Amino acid sequence: SQTIHQWPATLVQPVGSPLSLECTVEGTSNPNLYWYRQAAGRGLQLLFYSVGIGQISSEVPQNLSASRPQDRQFILSSKKLLLSDSGFYLCAWSTHLRVGTADTQYFGPGTRLTVL
Amino acid sequence: EDQVTQSPEALRLQEGESSSLNCSYTVSGLRGLFWYRQDPGKGPEFLFTLYSAGEEKEKERLKATLTKKESFLHITAPKPEDSATYLCALGNAGNMLTFGGGTRLMVKP
Repeated sequence: SQTIHQWPATLVQPVGSPLSLECTVEGTSNPNLYWYRQAAGRGLQLLFYSVGIGQISSEVPQNLSASRPQDRQFILSSKKLLLSDSGFYLCAWSTHLRVGTADTQYFGPGTRLTVL
Repeated sequence: EDQVTQSPEALRLQEGESSSLNCSYTVSGLRGLFWYRQDPGKGPEFLFTLYSAGEEKEKERLKATLTKKESFLHITAPKPEDSATYLCALGNAGNMLTFGGGTRLMVKP
């Protein structure tokens, strides 16, 4: 069965510090990978998605970046955090099973980031 | 532009009191309507996918239905452990999901 891991689970960082969040998936090959942010009391906002190693698409302009160094590893980074970067960061994976339909996405446990 | 609106934002039920959550949507080409459950501090857990109007899916006390403009998540005889935020999401031709704001369900014993 497939599992998805995220770490760290919680993180408190000062404004201006760097960020690195990691996501790994087990039990599947060549998954699509996604990073979302969920602000308090709000819906999920797609930040980045990747269909393969080194292939990253950005949905929202910001001071965040993403990388996919390995097939099942997805990393979210920032060089300098802003207060507005606080939130709950979720990684998700999917595989394309059915032609003409959107993939079902499966989410990780999330990382709670607080920027002070 | 794809849009998803969930109502109500919050719903309080007594244990055993059945109700429905609504997800209204507009999309140029529906590629799936997804329901998730999210507990506080955790990632969303996949519940159902519906692909065409008239389709229904059930899991324990939950039943999801789909029309051309909205989806309902019916909860029959809910229990306190059904308390969570329920999210619906719209799948489009670009294989992306657009999420609604969620309905926070509280079931009191």
